[in-house]
Amino acid sequence: DIVMTQSPSSLAVSAGETVTINCKSSQSLFGSVRQKNYLAWYQQKPGQSPKLLIYLASTRESGVPDRFIGSGSGTDFTLTISSVQAEDLANYYCQQYYDSPLTFGSGTKLEIK
Amino acid sequence: QVTLKESGSGILQPSQTLSLTCTFSGFSLSTYGMGVGWIRQPSGKGLEWLANIWWDDDKYYNPSLKNRLTISKDTSNNQAFLKITNVDTADTATYYCARMTVYYGLLLNWFAYWGQGTLVTVSS
Repeated sequence: DIVMTQSPSSLAVSAGETVTINCKSSQSLFGSVRQKNYLAWYQQKPGQSPKLLIYLASTRESGVPDRFIGSGSGTDFTLTISSVQAEDLANYYCQQYYDSPLTFGSGTKLEIK
Repeated sequence: QVTLKESGSGILQPSQTLSLTCTFSGFSLSTYGMGVGWIRQPSGKGLEWLANIWWDDDKYYNPSLKNRLTISKDTSNNQAFLKITNVDTADTATYYCARMTVYYGLLLNWFAYWGQGTLVTVSS
């Protein structure tokens, strides 16, 4: 199985700051189809189901604010949230779909000071 | 508008079979490229993928539970199903169904739409 390691496990920032969440995979997620990285990011607010933010490592889902930016390639990926807002309080998960079984990172809890 | 809603057994005893139903709208599982997956989340913990089913009835299972899982669909009624046999307290979780779409022939993908989840508790 591909192991997804997220860091940090939690962080607290003030509104307006920029946040970086890291996700490292145990093997490369770069695939031959369209030469893309097979990684997605999700946001899960308290009491809600996960919401897709980013797929193909850097493609923003429709309707997702442009302050959410996905980057990285191979085994190292980053979700950057610029100018964090109070509504961004949530857990964030990365997911690989390079191989079965699909696996998720353990999550990063974002708190707003 | 794509929506999904899970329903399930609620409370079970160990060794029983868990039956989950995903009722969806806004797409058809008989349409090329459409798929539904099941994911679960124990309270306060992370996400675990369980199984996928595609428009062509292709199925993928998490090997860690494969012998206990059966995924199926009813395209006429816009439903997908998951059965988990011989449940244990470790199967206590919120169970989500989610929609996937094929990407240039790839059948392992991201989950674009999620249901609200249904809580399943296994207790003696």
